[in-house]
Amino acid sequence: GDSVTQMEGPVTLSEEAFLTINCTYTATGYPSLFWYVQYPGEGLQLLLKATKADDKGSNKGFEATYRKETTSFHLEKGSVQVSDSAVYFCALKNKVNSRGGSEKLVFGKGTKLTVNP
Amino acid sequence: DAGITQSPRHKVTETGTPVTLRCHQTENHRYMYWYRQDPGHGLRLIHYSYGVKDTDKGEVSDGYSVSRSKTEDFLLTLESATSSQTSVYFCAITPDFLTDTQYFGPGTRLTVL
Repeated sequence: GDSVTQMEGPVTLSEEAFLTINCTYTATGYPSLFWYVQYPGEGLQLLLKATKADDKGSNKGFEATYRKETTSFHLEKGSVQVSDSAVYFCALKNKVNSRGGSEKLVFGKGTKLTVNP
Repeated sequence: DAGITQSPRHKVTETGTPVTLRCHQTENHRYMYWYRQDPGHGLRLIHYSYGVKDTDKGEVSDGYSVSRSKTEDFLLTLESATSSQTSVYFCAITPDFLTDTQYFGPGTRLTVL
């Protein structure tokens, strides 16, 4: 079945450091890929997404490129801030659905990021 | 804002009691989902719904049932709560089959003693 593997956390960085959180996936077909962020005490929010190979998703200084050849969707940010402290989830959704409808998301286990001043 | 609310936001109950969690949305979105979040597991799908009275099981559906009698409400029921069901429960919606993104509610923290 479909699966997502992301790097184990926690990750602790100093402010203005470079961030990479690795994510690889296994899926049939051509899934859409997502990064969600969860701030303390809140639900998940979409951070960025990419729907086909070589697409780059970006938002709030974060970027991730859909790499079909390496089945990866690594999250990067050039200079993190204290406010980026959160849990980050990589996820995929396959487009094909026998019901012809919206398919469920498959999540990685999450990576907790702490950014210190 | 996808207009999703969950109730209650926090609940403590005892083993063996029934519990119902409610997800309410204001936008008449078709697809709704229930997930649970546990440390080391990320989010796992419990049940989902394609519309009124149209539901299906996810990967961790044992011990849970759902109902959707109105578009705006998706209820998750634990018929007889167990300590292994202590978790944070999230509801999510997708507006339609053309939309990839799921939008999440604020979550319900359930503790089963």
